[in-house]
Amino acid sequence: DQQVKQNSPSLSVQEGRISILNCDYTNSMFDYFLWYKKYPAEGPTFLISISSIKDKNEDGRFTVFLNKSAKHLSLHIVPSQPGDSAVYFCAASAQGSNYKLTFGKGTLLTVNP
Amino acid sequence: DTAVSQTPKYLVTQMGNDKSIKCEQNLGHDTMYWYKQDSKKFLKIMFSYNNKELIINETVPNRFSPKSPDKAHLNLHINSLELGDSAVYFCASSQGMVRQPQHFGDGTRLSIL
Repeated sequence: DQQVKQNSPSLSVQEGRISILNCDYTNSMFDYFLWYKKYPAEGPTFLISISSIKDKNEDGRFTVFLNKSAKHLSLHIVPSQPGDSAVYFCAASAQGSNYKLTFGKGTLLTVNP
Repeated sequence: DTAVSQTPKYLVTQMGNDKSIKCEQNLGHDTMYWYKQDSKKFLKIMFSYNNKELIINETVPNRFSPKSPDKAHLNLHINSLELGDSAVYFCASSQGMVRQPQHFGDGTRLSIL
């Protein structure tokens, strides 16, 4: 029962262009969403988060958009850089869940020079 | 000055053995977690401790026993290891009871022969 789905296992983008990573969720109780980046043989690193009271949060080259009615969020990276090549995980938590994070399966982003 | 450190990084052992994985964080956080990333790449919560008190205990075989001697440490002991226990185990920490991102260690790759 995947409550957080990342339907694209991989994405390839040219350096300088925009990368858009998508995430869908099914649990309407989720109200806090995060994106993590993971390099091989390392742990996930927190990138950016968004609360359900917002529909957009921006931090430098990274912007997360939340569409609650569609139960969809996306991560935009502009401009994409080769160092952004990594696996990106979407995660969500629900109020009252003791801040348990439910992760998607991840999307491998490759940024080509 | 690693924030969340796990030891060992790699663990190769035989079925039926008992092994432990250690985790320490120097971020001053009061909540720590254990996650399992299986062969399908899903990151799933196993346990969470807040101020040494167990607050999340997912459906995990009782062969897995977490122990938190203090707020900065959360160890995972596994008895009678089985082939299906082969996975990467990640420790994480956060300032709990508020919506803050979790910080992950680099993982322990456990391989059962």
